[in-house]
Amino acid sequence: GAGVSQSPSNKVTEKGKDVELRCDPISGHTALYWYRQSLGQGLEFLIYFQGNSAPDKSGLPSDRFSAERTGGSVSTLTIQRTQQEDSAVYLCASSLIAVQETQYFGPGTRLLVL
Amino acid sequence: SQQGEEDPQALSIQEGENATMNCSYKTSINNLQWYRQNSGRGLVHLILIRSNEREKHSGRLRVTLDTSKKSSSLLITASRAADTASYFCATDVQGAQKLVFGQGTRLTINP
Repeated sequence: GAGVSQSPSNKVTEKGKDVELRCDPISGHTALYWYRQSLGQGLEFLIYFQGNSAPDKSGLPSDRFSAERTGGSVSTLTIQRTQQEDSAVYLCASSLIAVQETQYFGPGTRLLVL
Repeated sequence: SQQGEEDPQALSIQEGENATMNCSYKTSINNLQWYRQNSGRGLVHLILIRSNEREKHSGRLRVTLDTSKKSSSLLITASRAADTASYFCATDVQGAQKLVFGQGTRLTINP
């Protein structure tokens, strides 16, 4: 596609359930990033992929959060045993090669944990 | 305080006026970027300025970078209602593989 896409757009889940968020980066972009944004706040870095490898997982808030990337393309962010504080907009971005370049963002997934 | 703090947190001006937002950071950077966000969704890249550049223009946007003061400013000239959005600066910290975003400035342009 022409841009970064994310699915679902919105997700409402019950506390304790697992959720999977998907990101399709721009074709050919080797770097992929996940961020979290709480209401009215800035972006919180979660994880960065270069190809299928994640050199920096330092931003994952807890071991309930995991992410993978396959085929150097699609990435999924999984949150296990969701908590109410996980409610936020999860944004994915990609860039051609390196983190120093322009990042292209998807529209985000708005997650609400009841 | 965090890397990449914007100032002010909120700014409200009349259409046609100029809007200036500032960003301060703490560590050495390779470049600084400004992004715009509408309605809490995806961010759109506006402009990138490298550490060896002092000023950059793009349309109605002018960005300055002062590495000695570790600060940057974004100026939007002749503002329009459609410029209403949140604006974020992002720095790529030398040695770290990530962009660090500030908390953003919420800009409101009143018709």
